[in-house]
Amino acid sequence: AQRVTQPEKLLSVFKGAPVELKCNYSYSGSPELFWYVQYSRQRLQLLLRHISRESIKGFTADLNKGETSFHLKKPFAQEEDSAMYYCALMDSSYKLIFGSGTRLLVRP
Amino acid sequence: DTGVSQNPRHKITKRGQNVTFRCDPISEHNRLYWYRQTLGQGPEFLTYFQNEAQLEKSRLLSDRFSAERPKGSFSTLEIQRTEQGDSAMYLCATTPKYYNEQFFGPGTRLTVL
Repeated sequence: AQRVTQPEKLLSVFKGAPVELKCNYSYSGSPELFWYVQYSRQRLQLLLRHISRESIKGFTADLNKGETSFHLKKPFAQEEDSAMYYCALMDSSYKLIFGSGTRLLVRP
Repeated sequence: DTGVSQNPRHKITKRGQNVTFRCDPISEHNRLYWYRQTLGQGPEFLTYFQNEAQLEKSRLLSDRFSAERPKGSFSTLEIQRTEQGDSAMYLCATTPKYYNEQFFGPGTRLTVL
């Protein structure tokens, strides 16, 4: 079955601390993976996708096919990073399968 | 605002009533998706269109739900005989040709009393 798992509902860190939001997936084919972010009172927006291998706002994510993971990392969290983060997998018909999300709270 | 728009933003209705939501895509985006999001969960796929053709429907989409995209532009999602379990945020997303990033609208929050 195709599934995305985000084990943490809430991750609370202090400003300047490293952040890692976990994402594991289950998919039989070659996955295309994304991280979406939703800031307070804003719409869901793409943060990054594994194909582009970009670093956006200091965040990176590496696809590990052996561990079926796509964890999101940032070395030094900022208060403005506080938001809901969703990991998503695109299946063969181009629809997204989302995890349940992790709320990141960065404290001053 | 040139992004995906959805109307209404909020809808409160009584159980048993019919409701209709509208999604206006970004110009020339040929794929359009509907998702539903309940509290504490990520968005769940409902259905999608490529131009005016509805290509896939989720098992979540009971026969009380119907979606259309006449002329391949805006789309409507109708729920007939609403139930309390239909209360959720309904999200629309669109995608340009040859590109897989989905651009989301602000959503329509439905509350069924």
